[in-house]
Amino acid sequence: EVQLVESGGGLVQPGGSLRLSCAASGFTFSDHYMDWVRQAPGKGLEWVGRIRNKANSYGIDYAASVKGRFIISRDDSKNSLYLQMNSLKTDDTAVYYCARVRLGPVELKTFDIWGQGTMVTVSS
Amino acid sequence: DIQMTQSPSALSASVGDRVTITCRASQSISPWVAWYQRKPGRAPKLLIYKASSLESGVSSRFSGSGSETEFTLTISSLQPDDFATYYCQQYNVYQTTFGQGTKLEIK
Repeated sequence: EVQLVESGGGLVQPGGSLRLSCAASGFTFSDHYMDWVRQAPGKGLEWVGRIRNKANSYGIDYAASVKGRFIISRDDSKNSLYLQMNSLKTDDTAVYYCARVRLGPVELKTFDIWGQGTMVTVSS
Repeated sequence: DIQMTQSPSALSASVGDRVTITCRASQSISPWVAWYQRKPGRAPKLLIYKASSLESGVSSRFSGSGSETEFTLTISSLQPDDFATYYCQQYNVYQTTFGQGTKLEIK
């Protein structure tokens, strides 16, 4: 079964750090771009960032709201995606999802598999 | 960043109605626009990609159109299973942005 499972969420104080993980199974993880998307309580979906595959030099892009604070990485040998979150703010409170980007040309690069999400609460 | 302004934010409709949801981009974009359906506690489901291409397995009651800065999702005849929240997404090589969502409720 194709599956993504996030972990690592929890309660953290403003200014603190947290590392999220996303474990992939049932597909060739190394082939795919992988993204992080979040949803704050009562809000819509917000893209956090993307890491490409080895063939595209593991290039990374971030949303402006997290650039310089969050770091995306991956370990293809462990079929895992990571999100290191530093200098956390109360606005970062959200459910964080990892999502698989579909293979193919740009027109097909939508999200086809999502994890169930992990909750991050930034509060004092 | 490209902003996607989705409207309406909420919509009440009846089974059998035809509904349209609109997304406006802050600048002219390629037709790399997708639409997702989201139900509580479930992962988003891809409906439409490349503005008007129907995802495999998705009902033909869903259709997408648009270009440049304005894109629409139309549901031709609402079914009970269609009541959910819908999101547009613009995507390109470097970034992606979602609209704020449209909650479709039963009238």
